[in-house]
Amino acid sequence: RKEVEQDPGPFNVPEGATVAFNCTYSNSASQSFFWYRQDCRKEPKLLMSVYSSGNEDGRFTAQLNRASQYISLLIRDSKLSDSATYLCVAPGEGSGNTGKLIFGQGTTLQVKP
Amino acid sequence: NAGVMQNPRHLVRRRGQEARLRCSPVKGHSHVYWYRQLPEEGLKFMVYLQKENIIDESGMPKERFSAEFPKEGPSILRIQQVVRGDSAAYFCASSPGTSPNYGYTFGSGTRLTVV
Repeated sequence: RKEVEQDPGPFNVPEGATVAFNCTYSNSASQSFFWYRQDCRKEPKLLMSVYSSGNEDGRFTAQLNRASQYISLLIRDSKLSDSATYLCVAPGEGSGNTGKLIFGQGTTLQVKP
Repeated sequence: NAGVMQNPRHLVRRRGQEARLRCSPVKGHSHVYWYRQLPEEGLKFMVYLQKENIIDESGMPKERFSAEFPKEGPSILRIQQVVRGDSAAYFCASSPGTSPNYGYTFGSGTRLTVV
């Protein structure tokens, strides 16, 4: 089983739509998670951190389900500028003292007018 | 306050040459991570370093690849005798601490093309 697994998509949605991405992780000891955004041929940029049950920032909501070991990202009222690849990130196995993070393959979102 | 600085942005090497990729972390960050992203694939962890120490190199290929983070100067990822399969984007990231609670700040990456 991959340490972090995402549906690669692509997700094609119209402007204004609500879209949700799911991600599963294998390291049951993980305490904190992240969602990054990566635009084509650019570096990943931190979108949200998820430490407890969830986090909300404007149109973006991240939720964590520890029992099922999955994280979700919900985007409401999608904008054209939301088109990007969204990376789910979790601590690697045995990374308690290293901060090593494992990135999922990414989910591609294309918002259309 | 500059972010993570990587250079060069683009690097072209012929097969068999050496590639040196440099990374200067965010000021005050002492933890550096290198990731590789092959075309159409996700980021793969390569190595984690602190000043003068390699902490975790579990993602580094056994041969031809090495990394260092000297007391003074940037972190260097070195690839000897490059092959076409080394063509990828190499991203460096830094963080202020060891806890997985810290997210990373990434540099703009170095795109290596082996011809």
